[in-house]
Amino acid sequence: KAGVTQTPRYLIKTRGQQVTLSCSPISGHRSVSWYQQTPGQGLQFLFEYFSETQRNKGNFPGRFSGRQFSNSRSEMNVSTLELGDSALYLCASSSSTGGTEAFFGQGTRLTVV
Amino acid sequence: DQQVKQNSPSLSVQEGRISILNCDYTNSMFDYFLWYKKYPAEGPTFLISISSIKDKNEDGRFTVFLNKSAKHLSLHIVPSQPGDSAVYFCAAKRWDKIIFGKGTRLHILP
Repeated sequence: KAGVTQTPRYLIKTRGQQVTLSCSPISGHRSVSWYQQTPGQGLQFLFEYFSETQRNKGNFPGRFSGRQFSNSRSEMNVSTLELGDSALYLCASSSSTGGTEAFFGQGTRLTVV
Repeated sequence: DQQVKQNSPSLSVQEGRISILNCDYTNSMFDYFLWYKKYPAEGPTFLISISSIKDKNEDGRFTVFLNKSAKHLSLHIVPSQPGDSAVYFCAAKRWDKIIFGKGTRLHILP
């Protein structure tokens, strides 16, 4: 069974640009969650999608948005990038909303310059 | 409002000894607690979990203890091995989301 796949692995963008990250969950998993990891802040929850609907949202500004497609693949978009958005963005899939365990992808390392 | 706290950013333990990683939480509504391990440039991998109705769960070298009255859980690794050097995240699950702590970096010393 293939794991969670995130693309691209690395991205460099300039301030003010926008970026789209992609996540393909484990086959059969319908829940996809996104997290931001920065040094000293751990894993901060961005949002969760289940069956194409955003079910939960963390405390991030509206520049952070996402969507989920009918095949459960999810995209995350960040508009008007700021230097502070530089982070590792992780996607996790689980079999149901808030499933007992989540399986993570390798992440996308975003650097904003 | 940090609902899951790992107060030790780092921990160094001699190889072969016991590693004890601690985690505190504030919300009584969590129904599962999980530990994840993360190596650099990789996503976190699930290690072990415990239901809120239990006080201990063991899996090989890894044991998680839950003290609900103190809202505290700990992960014991015995014996510690070099490959255990990583960042460990404590997480708590409620019905709608999993909330992570900031992580503890474990160094296993030779």
